[in-house]
Amino acid sequence: DTGVSQDPRHKITKRGQNVTFRCDPISEHNRLYWYRQTLGQGPEFLTYFQNEAQLEKSRLLSDRFSAERPKGSFSTLEIQRTEQGDSAMYLCASSLATDRDYGYTFGSGTRLTVV
Amino acid sequence: AQKVTQAQTEISVVEKEDVTLDCVYETRDTTYYLFWYKQPPSGELVFLIRRNSFDEQNEISGRYSWNFQKSTSSFNFTITASQVVDSAVYFCALSAPSGSARQLTFGSGTQLTVLP
Repeated sequence: DTGVSQDPRHKITKRGQNVTFRCDPISEHNRLYWYRQTLGQGPEFLTYFQNEAQLEKSRLLSDRFSAERPKGSFSTLEIQRTEQGDSAMYLCASSLATDRDYGYTFGSGTRLTVV
Repeated sequence: AQKVTQAQTEISVVEKEDVTLDCVYETRDTTYYLFWYKQPPSGELVFLIRRNSFDEQNEISGRYSWNFQKSTSSFNFTITASQVVDSAVYFCALSAPSGSARQLTFGSGTQLTVLP
């Protein structure tokens, strides 16, 4: 297993279009996180899954955003009716749900540009 | 609420100089974890270190060292004999396990440029 994979690496879309990103976590990791990073800032938490259950969503996740992890493996993040303010790097991370292993592994991210 | 402050936005040093990146955090939790990540231009966040709140022992790993001081809520990171490959954005992050999400709260990062 080579780590957390995200696809695509870059996405340019017109305002108003829908986009979907995919994240493949490390196979044995049961926790999966989505973060958003805007230019010059640190990543901000969006949402979190434990297996297939979405357990928490940030107030940053407006109703235009939806995330799924249907079989507890890969996850998708969809943004509907994109706005220019959605332009950012979207990062996925995974981890094991044990206290002894509190490490997160991040993917390389999907950079979204809304024009 | 949790907060991480990295007051240094950008630092520039000449190769072989030592450099310290500052991190100050705020949390009401008594049990928490602190992290440092490196983000090179490729974008991936590279894990450097995790420290729990009960372990204030300083740590050294090669040219990297970390100084955790609970009394001042600081977790500073020093690179000794810096190299050009150290150029990146460095993030300090905090996680308190009291919530179910255990998400990371990041600082705004410090852009380190090491000049040859």
